[in-house]
Amino acid sequence: DSGVTQTPKHLITATGQRVTLRCSPRSGDLSVYWYQQSLDQGLQFLIQYYNGEERAKGNILERFSAQQFPDLHSELNLSSLELGDSALYFCASSGTTGETQYFGPGTRLLVL
Amino acid sequence: SQQGEEDPQALSIQEGENATMNCSYKTSINNLQWYRQNSGRGLVHLILIRSNEREKHSGRLRVTLDTSKKSSSLLITASRAADTASYFCATDARGFGNEKLTFGTGTRLTIIP
Repeated sequence: DSGVTQTPKHLITATGQRVTLRCSPRSGDLSVYWYQQSLDQGLQFLIQYYNGEERAKGNILERFSAQQFPDLHSELNLSSLELGDSALYFCASSGTTGETQYFGPGTRLLVL
Repeated sequence: SQQGEEDPQALSIQEGENATMNCSYKTSINNLQWYRQNSGRGLVHLILIRSNEREKHSGRLRVTLDTSKKSSSLLITASRAADTASYFCATDARGFGNEKLTFGTGTRLTIIP
């Protein structure tokens, strides 16, 4: 158990809808990272937050947004969902050095 | 785009044998890490090797790093069925213009009992 929790575990929704994925980092970790893993694109970095502020941005679509709250949990919002958004979404957290990332179990999103 | 490319893409060996996976990357790095992922699960950190290190051990794992060739290898000795998983290398290039951990494409390892 990494200490990172993600909810929900599974999500099935329809195209055009909006969903929110939630992540609670390990106790004390200030950085939260979001990744998307799909069969064709592999593991893609989406975005990083550090202590509430956006720190780095990757291949995140404009339809996606994220935030980190004062209690350090983070949410990833996916809107106007398309079939191609079906994937595993992982959250990871890291401590002060930001080197090792600890991954949550992921949320499996299926867009029908 | 992927910073790291693992080779081979898939590997099947008999239990007890050693497994070697390779990773190549493109830019200068601070460190290189290896992660394991069991099917559909989260990634688990295995080992980190810094750019000024050449070799590192952790239990049955041995990692080498050749910064001149921009490559790394992960050796798992005396493999077990529980080692069946996908293995990813990840490069940390902060300070070299890439402020994020970038994962490779992964090697799918299958241990045959």
